[in-house]
Amino acid sequence: GESVGLHLPTLSVQEGDNSIINCAYSNSASDYFIWYKQESGKGPQFIIDIRSNMDKRQGQRVTVLLNKTVKHLSLQIAATQPGDSAVYFCAETRSRQKLQFGAGTQVVVTP
Amino acid sequence: DGGITQSPKYLFRKEGQNVTLSCEQNLNHDAMYWYRQDPGQGLRLIYYSQIVNDFQKGDIAEGYSVSREKKESFPLTVTSAQKNPTAFYLCASSIQDGYTFGSGTRLTVV
Repeated sequence: GESVGLHLPTLSVQEGDNSIINCAYSNSASDYFIWYKQESGKGPQFIIDIRSNMDKRQGQRVTVLLNKTVKHLSLQIAATQPGDSAVYFCAETRSRQKLQFGAGTQVVVTP
Repeated sequence: DGGITQSPKYLFRKEGQNVTLSCEQNLNHDAMYWYRQDPGQGLRLIYYSQIVNDFQKGDIAEGYSVSREKKESFPLTVTSAQKNPTAFYLCASSIQDGYTFGSGTRLTVV
């Protein structure tokens, strides 16, 4: 059956600090990974992606790290701002097939 | 502007009724997807379609049906067999590695 009322893990971060959000993915054959940001009542927004032949990729204020050995993905946000408050999801796919999402992490930025 | 349009934004349904959620894209994407999101949870895949006139079940397809008669359109029907349909529904499309999401439809059973 479906589970209801679950609470997302929450990461509280002080404004200006760095944030690290972690994700364990499920399929060792996945070859492409994406981090999304979702604000309340909206669809997910693309943040950054990484292919399985890489272990690190940097964007503007964000860095994604991939550890295939332990099937772990992380998103680092530098100098976290109030506008970064949202739910963050990792997603994985294999051979450009269906995109599967992780459970998500709620990030709360405090002044 | 290219994008995905989901309509309506809010939808109310009586128990026992079927309801259809619309998803239209003008991105010329081959693949389209439907996800369900419950409060405080991640996105779960309902159905997806890689090409016109073909679609596959996702992880939670029971109580839902889809069609893909046109490349631009991938409507989702929530049937009376879906026991707990109240949720936020998201449609997406993709080409190569680029995925685009709609703004969602919030369905409430009253």
